Amino acid sequence: DAGVTQSPTHLIKTRGQQVTLRCSPKSGHDTVSWYQQALGQGPQFIFQYYEEEERQRGNFPDRFSGHQFPNYSSELNVNALLLGDSALYLCASSYGGPNQPQHFGDGTRLSIL
Amino acid sequence: RKEVEQDPGPFNVPEGATVAFNCTYSNSASQSFFWYRQDCRKEPKLLMSVYSSGNEDGRFTAQLNRASQYISLLIRDSKLSDSATYLCVVNINLDSSYKLIFGSGTRLLVRP
Repeated sequence: DAGVTQSPTHLIKTRGQQVTLRCSPKSGHDTVSWYQQALGQGPQFIFQYYEEEERQRGNFPDRFSGHQFPNYSSELNVNALLLGDSALYLCASSYGGPNQPQHFGDGTRLSIL
Repeated sequence: RKEVEQDPGPFNVPEGATVAFNCTYSNSASQSFFWYRQDCRKEPKLLMSVYSSGNEDGRFTAQLNRASQYISLLIRDSKLSDSATYLCVVNINLDSSYKLIFGSGTRLLVRP
């Protein structure tokens, strides 16, 4: 039973570029959440997708957008990259509502030069 | 003020010690609570959910005080393998959706 998978594992971009990160949820999970984790900090909630719609969003600018596909996989897009966007981007999946724990992927480490 | 606050540590303890971590949250809409563990350069992994009546899982005991908006984690008989960052997590229900809010984590170093 595959867990949450994310791709790529590492990525290097320059300021102003755009990036797309991908996530496949754990089998049987229908909800995908994205987090940004800067060094020495806890993960910060970006947004959550359920039934192909963004249903909750954290304090991130519109440069951060996403999508969920019918097979529950998801993408995170970041436009006009800034140096401060360098972080570990984590995808988590869950099923069954808010009281169920989320399962995290290994993350994508994004470095902006 | 952060929505979830934790002492960043590090807590440096010898093997066999008992160590306690505390966490406070500010949003009264918080409905469920968790402790996650994160090893260096790895993803967070669920350690345990936290229930109002308190709950225990082996050497780990979690407590919740809703009136004080306070959560704790107690680790007994610390092992070297317990060295990690422990993240306090609060689930906030809003309308028909929810989101997890993480603390910044507390680092634990268990020495031989």
